[in-house]
Amino acid sequence: ETGVTQTPRHLVMGMTNKKSLKCEQHLGHNAMYWYKQSAKKPLELMFVYNFKEQTENNSVPSRFSPECPNSSHLFLHLHTLQPEDSALYLCASSPLARADTQYFGPGTRLTVL
Amino acid sequence: AQSVTQLGSHVSVSEGALVLLRCNYSSSVPPYLFWYVQYPNQGLQLLLKYTTGATLVKGINGFEAEFKKSETSFHLTKPSAHMSDAAEYFCAVSDPQAGTALIFGKGTTLSVSS
Repeated sequence: ETGVTQTPRHLVMGMTNKKSLKCEQHLGHNAMYWYKQSAKKPLELMFVYNFKEQTENNSVPSRFSPECPNSSHLFLHLHTLQPEDSALYLCASSPLARADTQYFGPGTRLTVL
Repeated sequence: AQSVTQLGSHVSVSEGALVLLRCNYSSSVPPYLFWYVQYPNQGLQLLLKYTTGATLVKGINGFEAEFKKSETSFHLTKPSAHMSDAAEYFCAVSDPQAGTALIFGKGTTLSVSS
């Protein structure tokens, strides 16, 4: 596969469930990002990883827990979510976390019941 | 701090008409500028970017944008709209000196009617 892939593409979960979103990039990049995109709201940057180290956390609630085991994989672990967390979650990667072009995956559409 | 403003959250054009999507930025240093497009239920796709050099940048699908430093603008244009251009468009700015990640505008939804 090429580019940035995300699984699953769609996810429905209850507020008490625990689930994980997966992102994989096949571009040889060193930086990876999680964004939240809600209807009628701007794109929200959640987390930034550079060479597997978290370099940015934009005041994201602890019910979202990122994990970056290597430069190619990024996870977002979800637990005890709220209905307002329903959104499109986008993963992106770039060569470096320094003003570089970001390449996006197709997103995971999350619905919290 | 950098910021980007997209004027008009929704733009409607007829098929074959000129497309003009406006983007103004704020930056104390020469910025990098980007336009992305997002089709329904998909991720963002890079249309074009300006880093240095020629101020008129050509991108994919017939789009182009011009960096105008004096106007702090980076408007996106296409001479003739096609139905398939209907999507959401995002302008983004970054500071190459500070090494900041991209800052995105709120997006402009383009509708194309036949």
